[in-house]
Amino acid sequence: NAGVMQNPRHLVRRRGQEARLRCSPMKGHSHVYWYRQLPEEGLKFMVYLQKENIIDESGMPKERFSAEFPKEGPSILRIQQVVRGDSAAYFCASSPTGFTEAFFGQGTRLTVV
Amino acid sequence: TQLLEQSPQFLSIQEGENLTVYCNSSSVFSSLQWYRQEPGEGPVLLVTVVTGGEVKKLKRLTFQFGDARKDSSLHITAAQPGDTGLYLCAGAWGGGGADGLTFGKGTHLIIQP
Repeated sequence: NAGVMQNPRHLVRRRGQEARLRCSPMKGHSHVYWYRQLPEEGLKFMVYLQKENIIDESGMPKERFSAEFPKEGPSILRIQQVVRGDSAAYFCASSPTGFTEAFFGQGTRLTVV
Repeated sequence: TQLLEQSPQFLSIQEGENLTVYCNSSSVFSSLQWYRQEPGEGPVLLVTVVTGGEVKKLKRLTFQFGDARKDSSLHITAAQPGDTGLYLCAGAWGGGGADGLTFGKGTHLIIQP
């Protein structure tokens, strides 16, 4: 049973470009969570999605950030007009039935130059 | 905002020694997880505790959940260099997971041969 798959593992974008991060949850998991990790700041919750629905986006910046989890295909975290402060590791986690425990992917390391 | 405090922030000990790291909150958890994260990788789930006073063992690792479900500890016996990593605790407060997991900043553990 494959784990949570994230791609790309590393992404470099110039300021002002768009970044698209993909996450395929574990088989049978319909709940997806995105987290951002900055050095010395720990993992910060961004958004919680189920298939075709955003359940909680309280941790996501209001501007430039969006997330989706379509009926078919991976979950996408999209960052428009990236700035240097967006540089971080972005982790996706999935769970089968709500949040009793989460299984994480290996993350996407975004570098904005 | 719910806060999780982990201590110590950094710990470096010799191989074979015992250690305990702590996770505390002023609020009651509905469940709590411990993760271990290595550089460049995603957090890996070690254990989930749900019941106050619960003790779980995973080889040389012993996890304890406080009776009041506000704190937890991780004890490692006879630490090995392979135990080196970032240990994160994460708590859930809401039912159904709508709030997402809140993570502590972690304990950076180094076991020296």
